[in-house]
Amino acid sequence: ILNVEQSPQSLHVQEGDSTNFTCSFPSSNFYALHWYRWETAKSPEALFVMTLNGDEKKKGRISATLNTKEGYSYLYIKGSQPEDSATYLCAFAPPGYSSASKIIFGSGTRLSIRP
Amino acid sequence: EAQVTQNPRYLITVTGKKLTVTCSQNMNHEYMSWYRQDPGLGLRQIYYSMNVEVTDKGDVPEGYKVSRKEKRNFPLILESPSPNQTSLYFCASSSSRTGDSVDYGYTFGSGTRLTVV
Repeated sequence: ILNVEQSPQSLHVQEGDSTNFTCSFPSSNFYALHWYRWETAKSPEALFVMTLNGDEKKKGRISATLNTKEGYSYLYIKGSQPEDSATYLCAFAPPGYSSASKIIFGSGTRLSIRP
Repeated sequence: EAQVTQNPRYLITVTGKKLTVTCSQNMNHEYMSWYRQDPGLGLRQIYYSMNVEVTDKGDVPEGYKVSRKEKRNFPLILESPSPNQTSLYFCASSSSRTGDSVDYGYTFGSGTRLTVV
């Protein structure tokens, strides 16, 4: 069974501080990694899709890195704002055409920003 | 507006009464998936489809059926719902195979909160 672990489960950060959290996945069986932001009462929204070892992606104050050899990805938020409060999900896609649409989600990191 | 539309948003039903949750996307996406969200378990894939008439089981397919007769629609059918299918359901679609050079990830619908009593 392929497992995706996210840590921590929840995080409380002061407004203006920077933070990061981790997604761990099977390094021996990698195809792609997704990050999603899921705000309360809304649907998950795609942030990044990464496929290559060493990939770094950035969108505004949010960035992500990928290490496929050791099986982890970090999501960084610089200068947290209240609107960053959400659950951040990572999702791992194993290889193979039949599983190309099959992505496995972690349980998420719930981020709360204190004003 | 590009979107994935799910209906209904909320549904309370009784055990054994067949129901269908509809999902439609207007982005001409090839790939569509159904997920369920339960507390502490994350999103779990029920079924996915790579194109019209091409569907496959995800991690938790028991008790569910799907069909993909048209590219835009991917309904989720519960033939005989049971209380353990009480959950939050999401439909999602994508324009590309996960990991392809142009992969923007999945676009999710608004969710359907189903309660089976």
